Amino acid sequence: AQTVTQSQPEMSVQEAETVTLSCTYDTSESNYYLFWYKQPPSRQMILVIRQEAYKQQNATENRFSVNFQKAAKSFSLKISDSQLGDTAMYFCAFMKLVGEGGADGLTFGKGTHLIIQP
Amino acid sequence: DVKVTQSSRYLVKRTGEKVFLECVQDMDHENMFWYRQDPGLGLRLIYFSYDVKMKEKGDIPEGYSVSREKKERFSLILESASTNQTSMYLCASTRWTGTLLKDTQYFGPGTRLTVL
Repeated sequence: AQTVTQSQPEMSVQEAETVTLSCTYDTSESNYYLFWYKQPPSRQMILVIRQEAYKQQNATENRFSVNFQKAAKSFSLKISDSQLGDTAMYFCAFMKLVGEGGADGLTFGKGTHLIIQP
Repeated sequence: DVKVTQSSRYLVKRTGEKVFLECVQDMDHENMFWYRQDPGLGLRLIYFSYDVKMKEKGDIPEGYSVSREKKERFSLILESASTNQTSMYLCASTRWTGTLLKDTQYFGPGTRLTVL
């Protein structure tokens, strides 16, 4: 079974600063996907960024980027030029490949509550 | 635009009642999922389905069952609701082709269920 650990229950930074959210995971799988999801007060889960384990290049999406260290089983999220709208719960999630049978469910960390201060 | 809808945003039921939570997606996705979300615990997988009439247990299936009679609809059933099933329930769907994830999991808005 997989486990995902987010060691920072809450973080607070000033607007325009850069912030890094930590995530580590434990798995015996060699091929898998990793995700960061954002959940604002509206409760809607929104995909922030995704990384395929077989890709060495770190994924980026505008102000969001990841530092994927496969050997260390680490997957941190960096938010540059943080904005008030980035205030939300952030969840790190893991999905393993399951072949022809279909998609496996996500294994989530417990989340990091990120607060952007004006 | 991608759309996953859930039948209710808020639901209040009494202990022992049978509860149905409905989820519908309009993306022709084969795979659908039910999670529950509790403070400090993150999201946990209850059940999922690879296709119509197929179901698989997730990490916490006890006290729940599911139904998938049509591709677009995945129902979560609480046969006899209990207070420890008070939670936020999230439905999601995705497309998976062979060994490739063709689409990310898209989530519905959630149903906050209170069992009194």
